[in-house]
Amino acid sequence: QVQLVQSGAEVKKPGASVKVSCKASGYTFTTYGITWVRQAPGQGLEWMGWIRADNDHRNYAQKFQDRVTMTSDTSTNTAYMELRSLRSDDTAVYYCATGVSFDHWGQGTLVTVSS
Amino acid sequence: QSVLTQPPSASGTPGQRVTISCSGSSSNIGTNTVNWYQQVPGTAPKLLIYSNNQRPSGVPDRFSGSKSGTSASLTISGLQSEDEADYSCAAWDDSLNGYWVFGGGTKLTVL
Repeated sequence: QVQLVQSGAEVKKPGASVKVSCKASGYTFTTYGITWVRQAPGQGLEWMGWIRADNDHRNYAQKFQDRVTMTSDTSTNTAYMELRSLRSDDTAVYYCATGVSFDHWGQGTLVTVSS
Repeated sequence: QSVLTQPPSASGTPGQRVTISCSGSSSNIGTNTVNWYQQVPGTAPKLLIYSNNQRPSGVPDRFSGSKSGTSASLTISGLQSEDEADYSCAAWDDSLNGYWVFGGGTKLTVL
């Protein structure tokens, strides 16, 4: 069965960077892209961007264009999302998802930005 | 402020039928299909409906979706206590370089 396992919770100071990983199993990693979605406390879901696992084509949300980098490693079936210049309003649960309609989701990674 | 508009809350008693709306625009729902996600607090979203009205394997047929113009709806028939969760709609938006947009979520309470 398709499974996405994300890295653990992180606590960062404002201005720092965070890199979240998402290890895929149960399907051919290069078949679908990996999408990153975040959810701030008490808020709705927010699309951050997408990376195609087979050719590294990326599409970032304009809001994050200058601060985010998404990568993938086909040798380990793992995708990464790095967010730089963190602010307090970046505190959120970050999810990876795969499938045409975001059929499968990781368990989420809580990133807390606090001084 | 979410691009797609949903009511913040909805409620119903067991056995009732509940409908949750999702309003968008010509660049998203008006042009592209809608997905719905169910999220129990503290857990990841789960795909409930895709392509406006299709149910993934394992989703009960009491969940149904529809779309008309720039709006979409999720209907739950025969409401059950385990349906208490947050429900969010999503669609691709063709503006800018294209991006996915979500509704703000509707918290469904089973009374």
